[in-house]
Amino acid sequence: EVHLLESGGGFVQSGGSQRLSCAASGFMFRNYAINWIRQAPGKGLEWVSGISGTGTETFYADSLRGRFTISRDNFEDTVFLQMHSLTSDDTAVYYCAKERESSSRGAFDSWGPGTLVTVSS
Amino acid sequence: QSALIQPASVSGSLGQSITLSCTGTSRDIGDYEYVSWYQQYPGRAPKLIISEVYNRPPGVSTRFSGSKSGNTASLNIFGLRIEDEADYHCISYRVNVGLVFGAGTKLTVL
Repeated sequence: EVHLLESGGGFVQSGGSQRLSCAASGFMFRNYAINWIRQAPGKGLEWVSGISGTGTETFYADSLRGRFTISRDNFEDTVFLQMHSLTSDDTAVYYCAKERESSSRGAFDSWGPGTLVTVSS
Repeated sequence: QSALIQPASVSGSLGQSITLSCTGTSRDIGDYEYVSWYQQYPGRAPKLIISEVYNRPPGVSTRFSGSKSGNTASLNIFGLRIEDEADYHCISYRVNVGLVFGAGTKLTVL
């Protein structure tokens, strides 16, 4: 059974940094792209970033490029999201999600339960 | 403002069939078959119910179907049940941008 579990959320001061992790199991990790999607309290979903199975290709939402960095460790079956210069606008539940197949573009068939990042001023 | 336009709320009666809309542009929905729909209950992670406009993943009820016309994608729900009351989100690939979501539609079953 596919399983994704995010960690690393919590309270962070405005202007600070946070590193999120997404631990995966139950599938051939290196064969699948993993994405981060976030949801601010009471708001809709927002795509944040994605990384190919090999890790050679990375993608970012334009508004976040430069502050967020996605990476993966295919030996530890884990994806990371490093976030810098955080503001209250970054307060959200951050989900990691597995793409259904390599060319599915936005079809995420497995999600973690999410981790809450709260940026306080 | 979200890149894709969804109505904030829709309601329907038990047993009724309804359609949720998701309107984009020729740079996303209009030109690509990469539209997915997600169902989300409060406090829970989203669940994929439609991918690539029409495809229903294994285990998803046949009461859900997807379609597209021009720049607008639609999620059709047949025979509304109480358990269909949830938030529904659409997502599409957009050229030179990546992935864009709508703000979501809250479905109320009366």
